[in-house]
Amino acid sequence: EVQLVESGGGFIQPGGSLRLSCAASGFTVSSNYMSWVRQAPGKGLEWVSVIYGGGTTHYADSVKGRFTISRDKSKNSLYLQMNYLRGEDTAVYYCARFLGVSDAFDIWGQGTMVTVSS
Amino acid sequence: QSVLTQPPSASGTPGQRVTISCSGSSSNIGSNTVNWYQQLPGKAPKLLIYRNNQRPSGVPERFSGSKSGTSASLAISGLQSEDEADYYCAAWDDSLNGWVFGGGTKLTVL
Repeated sequence: EVQLVESGGGFIQPGGSLRLSCAASGFTVSSNYMSWVRQAPGKGLEWVSVIYGGGTTHYADSVKGRFTISRDKSKNSLYLQMNYLRGEDTAVYYCARFLGVSDAFDIWGQGTMVTVSS
Repeated sequence: QSVLTQPPSASGTPGQRVTISCSGSSSNIGSNTVNWYQQLPGKAPKLLIYRNNQRPSGVPERFSGSKSGTSASLAISGLQSEDEADYYCAAWDDSLNGWVFGGGTKLTVL
């Protein structure tokens, strides 16, 4: 079965760091475009970052310089290292696969909640 | 403030047809394909329409998408109670070099 399972969310103080993980099954992470999308409480979806098959990465301006997306081929997993966290980073973070054939995010994880508060 | 503009809410009665609009610009909808996602309460988003008007396997024919210029729309015919959800449009933005989403439309089945 093709699925994504996120983990690593939690409660963190402003300025702190957190690393999110996304374990994939049924397909190979390193062969696909993989993204993180977040959703603040009661708000809409916001794209955060992408890592392409070749390893190139892009970030939304709101997280550039603070967040780093990466992947581990041996673990077939995607990661999001989040540093210098702010209150506005509070959200459910979803990992998603972008399928070129569909030109869309076709597989989503269940999400992991990150709360940044003092 | 979302880059793509959707109405915050829509409603209809069972069996009715409802349409949700999504307005963008030349750097996103005007030059790239549009996708629609359905998010049921407390759940992760699910791909509903890709490449403007294509349905993934398993999505009922009641759902259809269209695009014209810098706008797109999602139509749901034969509305059912289980269609009550939040709907989001999305597209790649050439200027921002990233994906942009609409603010979401909450569909209520009366």
